Amino acid sequence: RKEVEQDPGPFNVPEGATVAFNCTYSNSASQSFFWYRQDCRKEPKLLMSVYSSGNEDGRFTAQLNRASQYISLLIRDSKLSDSATYLCVVSHASGGSYIPTFGRGTSLIVHP
Amino acid sequence: EPEVTQTPSHQVTQMGQEVILRCVPISNHLYFYWYRQILGQKVEFLVSFYNNEISEKSEIFDDQFSVERPDGSNFTLKIRSTKLEDSAMYFCASIPWTSGRNANTGELFFGEGSRLTVL
Repeated sequence: RKEVEQDPGPFNVPEGATVAFNCTYSNSASQSFFWYRQDCRKEPKLLMSVYSSGNEDGRFTAQLNRASQYISLLIRDSKLSDSATYLCVVSHASGGSYIPTFGRGTSLIVHP
Repeated sequence: EPEVTQTPSHQVTQMGQEVILRCVPISNHLYFYWYRQILGQKVEFLVSFYNNEISEKSEIFDDQFSVERPDGSNFTLKIRSTKLEDSAMYFCASIPWTSGRNANTGELFFGEGSRLTVL
């Protein structure tokens, strides 16, 4: 049973394009939601947390739909430097544990 | 800025050998994790550690794995008898935990990883 699902891509887009990624999760008790970015052979780094009301950070907008159990990330005006893998992370707390669970990631390639 | 540090950055070992991967989490963080990522695959949860004991472990974390925090700073992952399929990047991560106005967001702070190659 896959807990966090993402389309692996790759999404191949030109500079300046707008691109959107979706992620679905299976645990309805999930409490916290994040997008991380991972460059090749590097550690994941937090891109942004995802809040129920939706949130924006510059060119990046994240949305959460709890009823449908999905999260989205929108990147506007793509830059070459946005090329990376975007990881959806969903966390739940259970019996004193707090476990962030990763999706397999969506690969983005931005070309000139 | 405080950071999670991991050693070694790369280790090559023979199948059947024991390996110890080390991590120094950020000092005021309370939850510690080991994740692994096989090349080209997803980041997989191995184990979480809180209050000096394992709080949860995945089905991957079988008897050949163990974790310790022997001296209150280092956090180690030991693989007793390595197999070829243990070849992966192993990430240590930690989360602070506070409440109130500056409540923890649940952000994981990762080390740069230890790449393990089993021959």
